[in-house]
Amino acid sequence: DGGITQSPKYLFRKEGQNVTLSCEQNLNHDAMYWYRQDPGQGLRLIYYSQIVNDFQKGDIAEGYSVSREKKESFPLTVTSAQKNPTAFYLCASSSIAGGQETQYFGPGTRLLVL
Amino acid sequence: GENVEQHPSTLSVQEGDSAVIKCTYSDSASNYFPWYKQELGKGPQLIIDIRSNVGEKKDQRIAVTLNKTAKHFSLHITETQPEDSAVYFCAAPEYSSASKIIFGSGTRLSIRP
Repeated sequence: DGGITQSPKYLFRKEGQNVTLSCEQNLNHDAMYWYRQDPGQGLRLIYYSQIVNDFQKGDIAEGYSVSREKKESFPLTVTSAQKNPTAFYLCASSSIAGGQETQYFGPGTRLLVL
Repeated sequence: GENVEQHPSTLSVQEGDSAVIKCTYSDSASNYFPWYKQELGKGPQLIIDIRSNVGEKKDQRIAVTLNKTAKHFSLHITETQPEDSAVYFCAAPEYSSASKIIFGSGTRLSIRP
């Protein structure tokens, strides 16, 4: 089965803690993206990567970090610098980078602060 | 950069009736317009998309129309069913960055039995 997987489905963060959200795709896509969704709102871009070992900041990158060591994996770390991390986090991928390419989404990870 | 506005934010229609959701965009260079459906607690799923070389595209009960002159595009759902209840997002590419798409704020569609 081809697709995008995200884990865990739910994640709890304590104050001052860094947490990492996993995103894996087996679609052989070059580009991968991380979005944040707040209740009743649209999707805001955190980071994106067009190719392995390269990534760019999106609109709300502060308090987040990413890596892209493998084509199929694009983990997101929510650092302690992110003061309001409670949200639904969505990972997406597209065959190549560019606004004309369809993005396919994973099932999401809901992050809650204890 | 690109600005995408979506209306209405909520929409309630009787089962069997049609639903229409509208989006406007600002970047005249945009030429790809996807629509996504998001069910509660899940990731968005692409339901239909349109490229600027066509004015309308249909897939069973779903259609999308595009007016490049006016810079707006619309999603039409006919013969609505309970399973159509979800949040729908439109999107358009942002050419200044070359790699991003900008999403509308979403429309929560409810189908009344």
